[in-house]
Amino acid sequence: DAGVTQSPTHLIKTRGQQVTLRCSPKSGHDTVSWYQQALGQGPQFIFQYYEEEERQRGNFPDRFSGHQFPNYSSELNVNALLLGDSALYLCASSLMAGGSTDTQYFGPGTRLTVL
Amino acid sequence: GQQVMQIPQYQHVQEGEDFTTYCNSSTTLSNIQWYKQRPGGHPVFLIQLVKSGEVKKQKRLTFQFGEAKKNSSLHITATQTTDVGTYFCAGPGTGGFKTIFGAGTRLFVKA
Repeated sequence: DAGVTQSPTHLIKTRGQQVTLRCSPKSGHDTVSWYQQALGQGPQFIFQYYEEEERQRGNFPDRFSGHQFPNYSSELNVNALLLGDSALYLCASSLMAGGSTDTQYFGPGTRLTVL
Repeated sequence: GQQVMQIPQYQHVQEGEDFTTYCNSSTTLSNIQWYKQRPGGHPVFLIQLVKSGEVKKQKRLTFQFGEAKKNSSLHITATQTTDVGTYFCAGPGTGGFKTIFGAGTRLFVKA
């Protein structure tokens, strides 16, 4: 039973560039949430996708956008990268059964470095 | 805005000593979750508490949810080097679908 997978594992970009991160949820899960984790901090909620729609969004600018595909996989896109976007980006999957009370399974993350 | 706070920020213990981390929410929570993140790893779900005053145990780990459902604690008895990592508490945010994490307590265990 495959867990949550994310790609790539590491990425280096320069300011102003755009990046796309990918996530495949755990088998049987239909909901994907994205988090940003800065060094030494807790994960910060970016948004959640269910049934191919953004269900809720955290306090992140419009430069952060996402998409969910019919197979439940998801992408996170960040435009006009800033130095402050350097972080570990985590994807978490769950099975819709009432929202944020679901058990979330996290992927290994993508380490993004913006130079 | 809604906040989840954890103390201490970090703690160094000798192997065999006990460890406790405390979590406080600015709002009443319907549930609280605990996660562990090993150095270089990702958060791994440990447990969810739902009821006021609930206490749950997992081997050497004891989790408590406060009577007012605004605070929680995680206690580890007789720490081992395998307990090293950062422990996060998290709760549902406004809107129902987001999860708010505390900043975590990083545990260092000296053999």
